[in-house]
Amino acid sequence: QKEVEQNSGPLSVPEGAIASLNCTYSDRGSQSFFWYRQYSGKSPELIMFIYSNGDKEDGRFTAQLNKASQYVSLLIRDSQPSDSATYLCAVSYNNNDMRFGAGTRLTVKP
Amino acid sequence: AAGVIQSPRHLIKEKRETATLKCYPIPRHDTVYWYQQGPGQDPQFLISFYEKMQSDKGSIPDRFSAQQFSDYHSELNMSSLELGDSALYFCASSKRAPTPAEQYFGPGTRLTVT
Repeated sequence: QKEVEQNSGPLSVPEGAIASLNCTYSDRGSQSFFWYRQYSGKSPELIMFIYSNGDKEDGRFTAQLNKASQYVSLLIRDSQPSDSATYLCAVSYNNNDMRFGAGTRLTVKP
Repeated sequence: AAGVIQSPRHLIKEKRETATLKCYPIPRHDTVYWYQQGPGQDPQFLISFYEKMQSDKGSIPDRFSAQQFSDYHSELNMSSLELGDSALYFCASSKRAPTPAEQYFGPGTRLTVT
């Protein structure tokens, strides 16, 4: 079992809808949580990071963290076709080493 | 803003050859990470360096070695290349902080072993 689990998708949403991406992790000692967006053949691009329970909003993106449930999510409001990509959840155990989930492939249909 | 620089961007090698990948971190970043990403897979952590010392080690094969130099750039040396080493190799950098240490990725080096 992977340390960081994501639904591989594909997740398909219509343009303008809310896309909800989920991630669970196994190590309760995890300290920092990241969402990266990766287009095919390109490098991961940092979208959000969160390290306290609750919600963190940045533009159309909201990260949610629940350490008791070992769960972190990313909401994308007003989804655009340009949001179509693979979204990688990453978890850091010691503010240094980082482990990735397998990624969720999101498709936003016009 | 300056980003992580990797070279070369593409590299083709034959089995049993050696390869050296280079990474130049974002200015003032002191930590460098190396990841390997196979087709359709998530990035796998290989190794990291902080202030020129190895900081953490992941799934790096014994055939690979890496180091960080005084100017903070890093090199990943790969020997006895195998077909399975064909992948995208990413370097990321961060500024070590209490929390969180966001990692920023370079564009990657695509290594093809034939």
